[in-house]
Parts: sequence; C-alpha cells; structure tokens
Amino acid sequence: EAGVVQSPRYKIIEKKQPVAFWCNPISGHNTLYWYLQNLGQGPELLIRYENEEAVDDSQLPKDRFSAERLKGVDSTLKIQPAELGDSAVYLCASSFENTEAFFGQGTRLTVV
Amino acid sequence: AQSVSQHNHHVILSEAASLELGCNYSYGGTVNLFWYVQYPGQHLQLLLKYFSGDPLVKGIKGFEAEFIKSKFSFNLRKPSVQWSDTAEYFCAVNAHGNKLVFGAGTILRVKS
Repeated sequence: EAGVVQSPRYKIIEKKQPVAFWCNPISGHNTLYWYLQNLGQGPELLIRYENEEAVDDSQLPKDRFSAERLKGVDSTLKIQPAELGDSAVYLCASSFENTEAFFGQGTRLTVV
Repeated sequence: AQSVSQHNHHVILSEAASLELGCNYSYGGTVNLFWYVQYPGQHLQLLLKYFSGDPLVKGIKGFEAEFIKSKFSFNLRKPSVQWSDTAEYFCAVNAHGNKLVFGAGTILRVKS
C-alpha cells in the first residue's frame, strides 16, 4: 500500500515569494491534516479536512496561508507571500474516520 | 483546549538500559492516545495506540505504554533499549472528533 506522498521534499525560496506544497493521502482516507513542525518541537496542526470540508482551520494564518482539497483526495497548501519565520517542515497526514494518522515525509521549507 | 506534555526533551541511555518516557495530557473526556517515533531522516511512524480496553498497550519493537486515566498519563516503556532505538518520540492525543495534538517530543540517544 502506498503511503502519504508529499512533494517537493525540499524547497528554498526568497522571502515574499509564493510557495505551494502538494499532498496525496492514502487511498480511502477521508481525513487529511496539514501540520507545521519547527525544529525541536512537535507537529502543530494547521488545518484538518474531512473529505472536502475544512473542519478545523483555527490555527491557519489566513492572511498568507491557504489550502484546498478538491474532490476530497489530493490537497495543496500555499503560502503567499512567504516570510522568514515560515521556514519549517510542513507535514501532511491522513487517516480513516479520525483514527491513527499516517504521515508523509514532509516538505522542508527554507525562506531566505 | 487539549495539551500534551512530555517530561524530558533529551534522554541519553546506554544499550540494555530500561526506558520510560512520560506523557501527560489535559483533556478530561474520552481520548485516543498515540506514540509516534521519528528515526533520523525518516517520517513519523506509529509506535502504538490506545483506543479502549486493556490500558497496557503493546507496540512494535518491544515498546509498550500504559494508560492511567486517573493520572491523565500515557507513559512509554521499553525494558531494554538498543542503539537502533535512537530517535525522537512524540506522544499525541485525539479527543474523539477533535484534532490530533502532539507533545514537544523527546529525543532519545542510545549509546552503544
């Protein structure tokens, strides 16, 4: 069974530029999460989808971050414009019926 | 709001030593509990989980965890660690229907 696939694995951009991350969850998983992980800290939830619906986006900085999950499968997370403080690892995870989450490899973003 | 506390940020042990990593959570209702592990250069992987039933949960690679409801704790244990257990360990809590919240993580280094 294929796991959660994220791309790109690494991204380096200049501040004020836009960036997008893509996630393909495990087939059949209705719940999709985007997490942010800073060095030395645990993952922090940005947004959670149940199928196409964003059911928890309270931690998403909506002035610069946006996400979508069209057709309830793949998802993209966008930052525009990026700031130096956005440098982190962005993790995507999926689960079935809100049970254990399976994580992708993450995208390491460096904003310079 | 839910919160998860992991007592030690760094733990150093010699091979064959016993391990116990503490985890406490703040939510008072019914919860699902997880321990995830992240080996160097790899993605987060599920080590073990508790949903209901026997509060002593067995996981992969000889790990176990005990859910003590009265103490809001879910401590991770292993009787004899190996060098290959060197990794970062995260406790996570999901209050049914709510988001999956992670602790800050504990970095374990096992000396050979």
